Amino acid sequence: EVQLVESGGGLVQPGGSLRLSCAASGFTFTSYSMNWVRQAPGKGLEWVANIKQDGSEKYYVDSVKGRFTISRDNAKNSLYLQMNSLRDEDTAVYYCTREGYQLLGNGYYYYMDVWGKGTTVTVSS
Amino acid sequence: EIVLTQSPGTLSLSPGERATLSCRASQSVRSSYLVWYQQKAGQAPRLLIYGASSRATGIPDRFSGSGSGTDFTLTISRLEPEDFAVYYCQQYGSSVFTFGPGTKVDIK
Repeated sequence: EVQLVESGGGLVQPGGSLRLSCAASGFTFTSYSMNWVRQAPGKGLEWVANIKQDGSEKYYVDSVKGRFTISRDNAKNSLYLQMNSLRDEDTAVYYCTREGYQLLGNGYYYYMDVWGKGTTVTVSS
Repeated sequence: EIVLTQSPGTLSLSPGERATLSCRASQSVRSSYLVWYQQKAGQAPRLLIYGASSRATGIPDRFSGSGSGTDFTLTISRLEPEDFAVYYCQQYGSSVFTFGPGTKVDIK
């Protein structure tokens, strides 16, 4: 069964740090780019970060640049999000997602086809 | 940066009715990069439609997507009780993903 399981969420004070993990199983982890997506309470979805298959390229939403770092350990089939200098507005459920793709003519379709159940991060004093 | 706008914010319909959801982009989006997700309360989102019009595996054929350029539509031909949820469109470009604010389909 294809599965993503997040962990590491919790309550942290503003300015603090937290490291999220995502364990992947049931598919060839090294074949896929991976993402973190978050959802603040009662709000919509926000893409946070992306990492390519070999970890050579990483991309971030502007609001987390310089504070969050996405990484992966392909030997452990794991994805991580190191979150530093946390702010109240980082409070959210954080989802790990797989970036699925299909060949289309001379290009590709891209989409998030596998989602974990999420882990909750609360930033509060 | 491409901004996605979804309308209406809330759609109140009865089971069996047709739902038409709109997603508008601030600039042209490649159709192959336009995606729709469904999210039920307390659950993670689920992939519905990719490439603007291709149904994901296991998605019933009452769900269909269409559109190009800046205007895209998700249609649910006949609402089933399990379809009442929030629907998000998303676009992909240069390894960056952007979501729309969502449309909630609730029971009238």
